[in-house]
Amino acid sequence: ILNVEQSPQSLHVQEGDSTNFTCSFPSSNFYALHWYRWETAKSPEALFVMTLNGDEKKKGRISATLNTKEGYSYLYIKGSQPEDSATYLCAFRGYGGSQGNLIFGKGTKLSVKP
Amino acid sequence: DAGVTQSPTHLIKTRGQQVTLRCSPKSGHDTVSWYQQALGQGPQFIFQYYEEEERQRGNFPDRFSGHQFPNYSSELNVNALLLGDSALYLCASIDTGTGRESAYNEQFFGPGTRLTVL
Repeated sequence: ILNVEQSPQSLHVQEGDSTNFTCSFPSSNFYALHWYRWETAKSPEALFVMTLNGDEKKKGRISATLNTKEGYSYLYIKGSQPEDSATYLCAFRGYGGSQGNLIFGKGTKLSVKP
Repeated sequence: DAGVTQSPTHLIKTRGQQVTLRCSPKSGHDTVSWYQQALGQGPQFIFQYYEEEERQRGNFPDRFSGHQFPNYSSELNVNALLLGDSALYLCASIDTGTGRESAYNEQFFGPGTRLTVL
């Protein structure tokens, strides 16, 4: 059974703080790693799709890195704002098999206090 | 573009009943995946539909079945409901063009249907 772990489970920061979370995934049969941002009562919103070892992606104040050889990805938020409060999910895609679709972690819930 | 829509928003059923959840994908998206998110867990893959056929299936019993219509919309049916089926059910749509996802294909999610089984 393939496992995707995210840490920490939850995080409380002050406005202006920078923060980061970790996603660990299987290092074999890697195909892609997805990051989603999910605000309460809304749809999960795609942030990044990462496929290459060493990939770095950036969208505004949010960036992500990928290490497929050791099986981890970091998501960074610079200068957190209250509107960044959400659950951040990562999802692993491997090649083929019965689990050819996205395998999600449990998410990191971020709360940013004004 | 309305994005991915799901109905109903909330649903309460009792054990043993049957339920049908509906999903309309983004305009032009041909593939639909369904996920179950139980409390405290990440979303779990149920199955995926393309060209009105089930293409992939996760580790869910046969009580979970689906359908895709010619307009690409989809239904998830669950028979003989159990208390453990209480969860948020998410639908995701993908524009594959061929039915095969590439590594870069994004899955666009709907807001989900919250199912409570009493």
